[in-house]
Amino acid sequence: DIQLTQSPSFLSASIGDRVTITCRASQGILTYLAWYQQKPGKAPKLLIYAASTLQDGVPPNFSGSGSGTEFTLTISSLQPEDFATYYCQQLYSYPWTFGHGTKVDMK
Amino acid sequence: EVQLVESGGDLVHPGGSLRLSCATSGFTFNYFAMNWVRQVPGKGLEWISYISSASSTIYYTDSVKGRFTISRDYATNSVYLQMNNLRAEDTALYYCVRDGPPRALDVWGQGTMVTVSS
Repeated sequence: DIQLTQSPSFLSASIGDRVTITCRASQGILTYLAWYQQKPGKAPKLLIYAASTLQDGVPPNFSGSGSGTEFTLTISSLQPEDFATYYCQQLYSYPWTFGHGTKVDMK
Repeated sequence: EVQLVESGGDLVHPGGSLRLSCATSGFTFNYFAMNWVRQVPGKGLEWISYISSASSTIYYTDSVKGRFTISRDYATNSVYLQMNNLRAEDTALYYCVRDGPPRALDVWGQGTMVTVSS
């Protein structure tokens, strides 16, 4: 199985901060990587697919990059509604796997 | 509006069985593969099963292989997860999730809770 290592696990930040989350795959997955946002009590929401393509309706302050084994999710200017947990997921091979999540909370 | 509504979650004893249902609407069901993903409250996400649009391809994660069965009904636009020989570690919130395009899990239901306990 492909392991995804997300870092950091927790991140404290302020409104307006630039936030970067890293996801490393245990083997190459080309660009078969997605990012999801989950708020407490809610289902996850797709933010980015194919490593860097923004899902419809996702604000442009979110961006993704990377290929192979190293990927990043960047929030260019953190907004109040962005405090949440973020997960990466590989869709290169079954079983699909998720990173353990990065919780972004208010400093 | 695209909607996925899960049901069937319950408290069940170890070794018991449960059938989860996912009613879909707002999209052409025949065109999309579907998945089940689970989440232990307060923990991360775990993909557990996939069924292709034509039901010709099915995958499971190893921990549920031989115990869970995914299926779909084109007459009712529904997806099912038959869960047998349940264990305490199957306790989780179970999400029904649509498979894109794009290649991602693009639409999620609200989840149904399964608790396995004596």
